[in-house]
Amino acid sequence: EAGVAQSPRYKIIEKRQSVAFWCNPISGHATLYWYQQILGQGPKLLIQFQNNGVVDDSQLPKDRFSAERLKGVDSTLKIQPAKLEDSAVYLCASSKTSGGWTDTQYFGPGTRLTVL
Amino acid sequence: AQKITQTQPGMFVQEKEAVTLDCTYDTSDQSYGLFWYKQPSSGEMIFLIYQGSYDEQNATEGRYSLNFQKARKSANLVISASQLGDSAMYFCAMRALSSNTGKLIFGQGTTLQVKP
Repeated sequence: EAGVAQSPRYKIIEKRQSVAFWCNPISGHATLYWYQQILGQGPKLLIQFQNNGVVDDSQLPKDRFSAERLKGVDSTLKIQPAKLEDSAVYLCASSKTSGGWTDTQYFGPGTRLTVL
Repeated sequence: AQKITQTQPGMFVQEKEAVTLDCTYDTSDQSYGLFWYKQPSSGEMIFLIYQGSYDEQNATEGRYSLNFQKARKSANLVISASQLGDSAMYFCAMRALSSNTGKLIFGQGTTLQVKP
């Protein structure tokens, strides 16, 4: 079974530019998550989708970040415009069911973003 | 609110020896799940082991076991017979039923280095 796929793996941009990340979850997984992991810290949830609906985006900086999951499969996370503090690893994860408390999340390899 | 605390920023262990990575958690929920993930330098978060709050037995998965002490709110990871490939960052995480979403709360992580 293929794992969670993410691209690109690395991205370097100048501040105020825009950037987009792509994620393809494990086949059949209903729930998709985007996490931000700043160096030296644990991941922090940005947004959670169940199928193509948003379940939780309380920690998404909506003035600059946006995400979509059209057709309930793959997803795109965009930053526009980027700031220096957005430098981080962006991790996508998926889980089989509705994200219940016993549901295991499986992560992709992440995209390492550097904002100069 | 839920919180995970990992007090060991870095640990060393000799190859083939056992090592314990500490994790304490704080929640007022009765229903919650505890997870351990491994993050090698490549960046991917690899799921290791899960313990539910109602599970009476400690979880085990191969060389990994979870020492779950509910009254003390601790969920330590034990790695037996350490291997060089175990060198990585290890994160403890939890999800509680009351969160109503799949959000995982992560600790700060512990870096483990296995010495030959």
